[in-house]
Amino acid sequence: GAVVSQHPSWVICKSGTSVKIECRSLDFQATTMFWYRQFPKQSLMLMATSNEGSKATYEQGVEKDKFLINHASLTLSTLTVTSAHPEDSSFYICSAPQGLSYGYTFGSGTRLTVV
Amino acid sequence: AQKITQTQPGMFVQEKEAVTLDCTYDTSDQSYGLFWYKQPSSGEMIFLIYQGSYDEQNATEGRYSLNFQKARKSANLVISASQLGDSAMYFCAMREGPNNFNKFYFGSGTKLNVKP
Repeated sequence: GAVVSQHPSWVICKSGTSVKIECRSLDFQATTMFWYRQFPKQSLMLMATSNEGSKATYEQGVEKDKFLINHASLTLSTLTVTSAHPEDSSFYICSAPQGLSYGYTFGSGTRLTVV
Repeated sequence: AQKITQTQPGMFVQEKEAVTLDCTYDTSDQSYGLFWYKQPSSGEMIFLIYQGSYDEQNATEGRYSLNFQKARKSANLVISASQLGDSAMYFCAMREGPNNFNKFYFGSGTKLNVKP
């Protein structure tokens, strides 16, 4: 089946630094990638939708200058958390559409801790 | 209004018994898809089952079945013969429209605990 590989699975960084999260589609072309954030014991909240070769579409309330999304190829989408702060600590997960009856294929998620 | 509502924050079930996780949805679209995902403590999202709005029969996948009541806009997940490994968070989700590139709406989730 289709696989989305997400790295790193966890990362700890200092306040003020930037962190890049990668999602690669391994056996299919992902023209669209959805990025979600999930705080503990909460649901997944859509942050943005990236499309290959064009600018990402951000959900209301998500700072596009803080959460940089790049989708430069059909197999790679990246999310960079710039100038990270402790409140950015969260679980970030990407997903790509599959066939109609399978919804999305999700990456394994990245647990970000900012200290 | 919430697109997806899961009213059970937590559920307990005895091993080998069946359990129903509730989900109601709100949409004015005629074409939509309903999904259930399982999220264990590791965080990965595992696809369980899908129901299309035009599907007349309830979807089934092994021990999972979806009780689809279109008029009531409900899509409850039934897990039969619960196993300890079923302990996890369960999310109901909806995709509006026929296009799979439309975004999903997720419910708040239900944490299921299976007791031995």
